[in-house]
Amino acid sequence: AQSVTQPDIHITVSEGASLELRCNYSYGATPYLFWYVQSPGQGLQLLLKYFSGDTLVQGIKGFEAEFKRSQSSFNLRKPSVHWSDAAEYFCAVKETSGSRLTFGEGTQLTVNP
Amino acid sequence: EPEVTQTPSHQVTQMGQEVILRCVPISNHLYFYWYRQILGQKVEFLVSFYNNEISEKSEIFDDQFSVERPDGSNFTLKIRSTKLEDSAMYFCASRGASGKVEQFFGPGTRLTVL
Repeated sequence: AQSVTQPDIHITVSEGASLELRCNYSYGATPYLFWYVQSPGQGLQLLLKYFSGDTLVQGIKGFEAEFKRSQSSFNLRKPSVHWSDAAEYFCAVKETSGSRLTFGEGTQLTVNP
Repeated sequence: EPEVTQTPSHQVTQMGQEVILRCVPISNHLYFYWYRQILGQKVEFLVSFYNNEISEKSEIFDDQFSVERPDGSNFTLKIRSTKLEDSAMYFCASRGASGKVEQFFGPGTRLTVL
C-alpha cells in the first residue's frame, strides 16, 4: 500500500526566510503528487500538483515543489516566507488507478515576525 | 471562484444518534469524496462516489456509514449510530471530468460525539 511521510511535524521560520517542507512517498510507480495547505478554520486548498513532465512544478502563493524519483520525494519550497503562510501543510499522493488520496501527517508552519 | 461548501460547520451529537453531514460540491463536478481527520491524526479517505454509486471505499467505511446524492447539488454522509470514535473533522471533496485529477475540498464539518 502506498504511504506518505512528512518527517517534520512542526517547523518555525522567520518572515522572509526560505522554507522547505519535506515529503517522502512509498509507491511502486510514480503516483500523482499534491501539496495542500490548511489555514485555521479553512478547508484544504490545493497549492500544486505533479503528474509527469518537468520535475519542478510551480504553484500558487509563490510555492514550488520538486519531484525526485531517486529519493521518492516531493519537497515543497518557498524562497521567502510571509506571515500569512503560517498554516498546516499536507503532502498527498494518488495512485495512477483508483480515487483515493493518501495524506501525510502534515507539517505545522509557524512564521515569526 | 466556485468552491465546495459544507454544513454544518460544527455538529454535536450524543452517542448512538444518527447524523447527516451535508456537502454541496462544485457544480459541474462528477466525482465526490468524503475524508475524515481525527484530531492529531492524518486525513483519511472514506469513500468516493460517481454516477450515483460508490466507486471505492476504505475499511473505515463500514455499514454504519452511507452516502447519497439526493438531488443535483447535495452530497451527504450519514452515520447511523454514532460512536465516540467518530468524533473528527469530515471533509467533502469533488473533482471534475475523468481527465482531471485534482480534488477540491470543502472547509469541513467538525463532528463531536458525546
